[in-house]
Amino acid sequence: ETGVTQSPTHLIKTRGQQVTLRCSSQSGHNTVSWYQQALGQGPQFIFQYYREEENGRGNFPPRFSGLQFPNYSSELNVNALELDDSALYLCASSVGTGSYEQYFGPGTRLTVT
Amino acid sequence: GIQVEQSPPDLILQEGANSTLRCNFSDSVNNLQWFHQNPWGQLINLFYIPSGTKQNGRLSATTVATERYSSLYISSSQTTDSGVYFCAAISGYALNFGKGTSLLVTP
Repeated sequence: ETGVTQSPTHLIKTRGQQVTLRCSSQSGHNTVSWYQQALGQGPQFIFQYYREEENGRGNFPPRFSGLQFPNYSSELNVNALELDDSALYLCASSVGTGSYEQYFGPGTRLTVT
Repeated sequence: GIQVEQSPPDLILQEGANSTLRCNFSDSVNNLQWFHQNPWGQLINLFYIPSGTKQNGRLSATTVATERYSSLYISSSQTTDSGVYFCAAISGYALNFGKGTSLLVTP
């Protein structure tokens, strides 16, 4: 059974640029959630994708957007990067939406300079 | 969303000691998970425990949903137990995380 994978591992971008992060869900999972973890904090929910549609969203601006593909993999896109976007971005997958157990990937560490 | 508070924020133990980490949440939950975050940032699932008690080796967890708390018990701690422990509760679609307990186990 393949776990949740994310790419790239690390990324450095300049303020104002755009970035795309990728996530492959664990086999048998159809739901992907994205979280942002700032240094010293717990992860914060960005949004969730189920059946290729955004299923719920946290308190993040529209410049954070995403996609889910028919194979359940997902992308997180961030436009007009700001310094405060520097964080660890975590992807989690689950067998469905709601109260199912979520399993996390290793994360992508984004640095905005 | 649900507010999650974890205590203590920091903990230093000598190898072999036992400890209890606490998680309080502001509303009833359908899902509560405990995670261990390793130094590289990976969140490792420890327990999925909306209610009751579960044990896995030296670790055990208890959730009392009616009293809105969960606890994680670590027995005979080892240096490899060091890291940050998070509890997280589902509200709607999102896992709501506490700020974590940073544990350091010294030899």
